[in-house]
Amino acid sequence: DAGITQSPRYKITETGRQVTLMCHQTWSHSYMFWYRQDLGHGLRLIYYSAAADITDKGEVPDGYVVSRSKTENFPLTLESATRSQTSVYFCASVSGFQETQYFGPGTRLLVL
Amino acid sequence: AQKITQTQPGMFVQEKEAVTLDCTYDTSDQSYGLFWYKQPSSGEMIFLIYQGSYDEQNATEGRYSLNFQKARKSANLVISASQLGDSAMYFCAMRESFQKLVFGTGTRLLVSP
Repeated sequence: DAGITQSPRYKITETGRQVTLMCHQTWSHSYMFWYRQDLGHGLRLIYYSAAADITDKGEVPDGYVVSRSKTENFPLTLESATRSQTSVYFCASVSGFQETQYFGPGTRLLVL
Repeated sequence: AQKITQTQPGMFVQEKEAVTLDCTYDTSDQSYGLFWYKQPSSGEMIFLIYQGSYDEQNATEGRYSLNFQKARKSANLVISASQLGDSAMYFCAMRESFQKLVFGTGTRLLVSP
């Protein structure tokens, strides 16, 4: 199906474990983003990518790693999960020529 | 740095009435874009409406319109003829460089019968 998908949709993990959240888009959009949503903060940018092999930090990058070897995929890795990383994570994408940023369905992550 | 302020944590409106959700922004850029997204209880982010800083007309999309007042740096969302399905969180956002979005903290709208 066309669009932007995230997996898993729900994840429970323990403090200290490594977790990878996947994001896949079928539009060949140049730009991809990872946001986290927490109560009282709205959505905040973690990392973004302007193209394959080009990534940069957003507002809240600490504790996260990203890669983008293919245009359509943009995985987010929590190297050693902490309770403060319990959140809802949204992946998004946009073409350099469009105005609208489209979001995936989100991943709810609980770190115990 | 860009900043979006939504001062209304919650709003109530009766079905079929109009409601305005406030959004003010701060930027030193001449070219920017403003967005409104809806987040229902199911959690997905749904794009509603977009306004470019150089657009002279206020954007409209069906029952949604964006009241853009550039000098006041405001971009309020107006929902006409509210429906029960409009109950949701609404986020205002501004586009930065590299297509990044900066979000406000959101307004929860509750539509009553």
